[in-house]
Amino acid sequence: QVQLVESGGGVVQPGRSLRLSCTASGVSLNSITTHWVRQAQGKGPEWVAVTSFDGDSEYYAESVKGRFIVSRDNSKETVSLQMNNLRPEDTAVYFCATGPYFNYLYMDVWGKGTAVTVSS
Amino acid sequence: DIQMTQSPSTLSASVGDRVTITCRASRNIRFWLAWYQQKPGKAPKLLIYDASRLQSGVPSRFSGSGSGTEFTLTISSLQPDDFATYYCQHYDNHFPTFGPGTKVDVK
Repeated sequence: QVQLVESGGGVVQPGRSLRLSCTASGVSLNSITTHWVRQAQGKGPEWVAVTSFDGDSEYYAESVKGRFIVSRDNSKETVSLQMNNLRPEDTAVYFCATGPYFNYLYMDVWGKGTAVTVSS
Repeated sequence: DIQMTQSPSTLSASVGDRVTITCRASRNIRFWLAWYQQKPGKAPKLLIYDASRLQSGVPSRFSGSGSGTEFTLTISSLQPDDFATYYCQHYDNHFPTFGPGTKVDVK
């Protein structure tokens, strides 16, 4: 059974950085399109970023472009989300999710999420 | 940006009811639509992709239809486990967006 586990969430001040990680069991993340999706309290999900299985291609939501970077370390089978210059509106639960295709971006496996709070 | 809307925002129903949720896209997204179910404190769960394809393991009482700009999710006979919030999501380009959700609660 495929399971995704996110880590790295916490409380951080505005303007600071935080790095989230996603690891998997039951599947190799090295071969799968991987997304980050966030959800603020009481709101619907918001797609954040996606990286192709080989890390050669990535896309970002406009709300995070230029501040967030998604990367993968295939030697560690980990996908990370480096979040810089954080803002209060980035406060959310961040989910790692995988999808079967890079050209058709739906998500078929989700982690349980890690909470990020941006507050002074 | 492609904007997604859903109606109704809340739907009150009873076990055994047939339930229909509508999702609309701001422009033609062909068949590139997914539906998710989410329960409080949990991650979304994929139900339907490509507008009408049932994800493996999802009960057959769930079905999806539509194309272009208007789509529906139907639950043929609502079960106790189906009380949840449902989201649609387009993937017509590399910038997927979700709808605002439809909460199905107990009548």
